[in-house]
Amino acid sequence: DAKTTQPTSMDCAEGRAANLPCNHSTISGNEYVYWYRQIHSQGPQYIIHGLKNNETNEMASLIITEDRKSSTLILPHATLRDTAVYYCIVRSNAGGTSYGKLTFGQGTILTVHP
Amino acid sequence: DSGVTQTPKHLITATGQRVTLRCSPRSGDLSVYWYQQSLDQGLQFLIQYYNGEERAKGNILERFSAQQFPDLHSELNLSSLELGDSALYFCASSVEGGGVTDTQYFGPGTRLTVL
Repeated sequence: DAKTTQPTSMDCAEGRAANLPCNHSTISGNEYVYWYRQIHSQGPQYIIHGLKNNETNEMASLIITEDRKSSTLILPHATLRDTAVYYCIVRSNAGGTSYGKLTFGQGTILTVHP
Repeated sequence: DSGVTQTPKHLITATGQRVTLRCSPRSGDLSVYWYQQSLDQGLQFLIQYYNGEERAKGNILERFSAQQFPDLHSELNLSSLELGDSALYFCASSVEGGGVTDTQYFGPGTRLTVL
């Protein structure tokens, strides 16, 4: 799986958009970008995923650059409950002994302030 | 609520003991995954079962074993426990065998404390 780089921490004001960047410059053509978040020791929560087109769901939007070397997760109107660690993960169909494995990095600690 | 359930929520035991963690996947999901989250190692993949068979393996210790039963629930057995096994253990499930678009949904976890 391609390696990802995320800022260690970010702040955001409540009600404003939170834009979380992720660099995955070694991503290959069949690898997907996934985002999960973890709120204070709870189980990781799936947010969104995409291959090359921008994606939107009820939780967030995912913007992937045309060269696919980076992406941005957008929470359009952040609330205090969005304070969490956000993980950007690149997944491949590599198969073999690590077929279904998700590789979590350190993620970005997003703090939403009142 | 992801639909994945884990029991117990908390477990406190002594070194050298053996414990069993249980996971029930979302209805209809065939794959179950186990992850360990410790303070120094972060979230690490342990093992995946798909429809009763082992499908993928991570850095799971030999003292740890898992299985998936015909009703698709899974158990993670941890034996000869050491202080360093204290961690959060998460189970996840997915519909299929773990392909790149097969999204994993996580349970609330079991917090294991080894004294």
